[in-house]
Amino acid sequence: DAKTTQPPSMDCAEGRAANLPCNHSTISGNEYVYWYRQIHSQGPQYIIHGLKNNETNEMASLIITEDRKSSTLILPHATLRDTAVYYCIVSDLYNQGGKLIFGQGTELSVKP
Amino acid sequence: DAGVTQSPTHLIKTRGQQVTLRCSPKSGHDTVSWYQQALGQGPQFIFQYYEEEERQRGNFPDRFSGHQFPNYSSELNVNALLLGDSALYLCASSLAETGRQETQYFGPGTRLLVL
Repeated sequence: DAKTTQPPSMDCAEGRAANLPCNHSTISGNEYVYWYRQIHSQGPQYIIHGLKNNETNEMASLIITEDRKSSTLILPHATLRDTAVYYCIVSDLYNQGGKLIFGQGTELSVKP
Repeated sequence: DAGVTQSPTHLIKTRGQQVTLRCSPKSGHDTVSWYQQALGQGPQFIFQYYEEEERQRGNFPDRFSGHQFPNYSSELNVNALLLGDSALYLCASSLAETGRQETQYFGPGTRLLVL
């Protein structure tokens, strides 16, 4: 079973920041938080991952709370092309092998 | 830089048949993982291959088998197809590095329909 909880759906206005929450209260010390997104009928696209510090790349920012029990993915200026299902995954891909456990994700709709 | 590629893109089979799906990893990657995604669900891990051996396996029956070749490409074989095997089959590649997280990058998938 997935170790994360996400809202099933969210809306965001084009050009505004999209903030996608994720709860992972049972995360263990070596587990990272990964975010992927999947645009309809395509393969999942890697976005970002982090352990305990906040992370930023060209796609998004990842904010992890100090107790590591929750995180937020931020798309700073959402566009229509960001409409997708966003998956938050907790995993230790080094020590636990290559198993990503996907939940249901959050369906983000970016509206004009 | 070529990403992960999969073939074929679509496939139609009938119950009881066998199917082989193929995956070429991203350049520089040596590890291949396979996932099954049923309609409306998140992907489910089938197994992972590294150094031509199955490294880890998910909760899938023995009808699902795989292979990794010396050039790191991989095949997924499914025998005795069932209607429930209809799904998008995803391949993901990564690089095994000591002490580092092996971030996985996915291909576009093969959509299998079993009639």
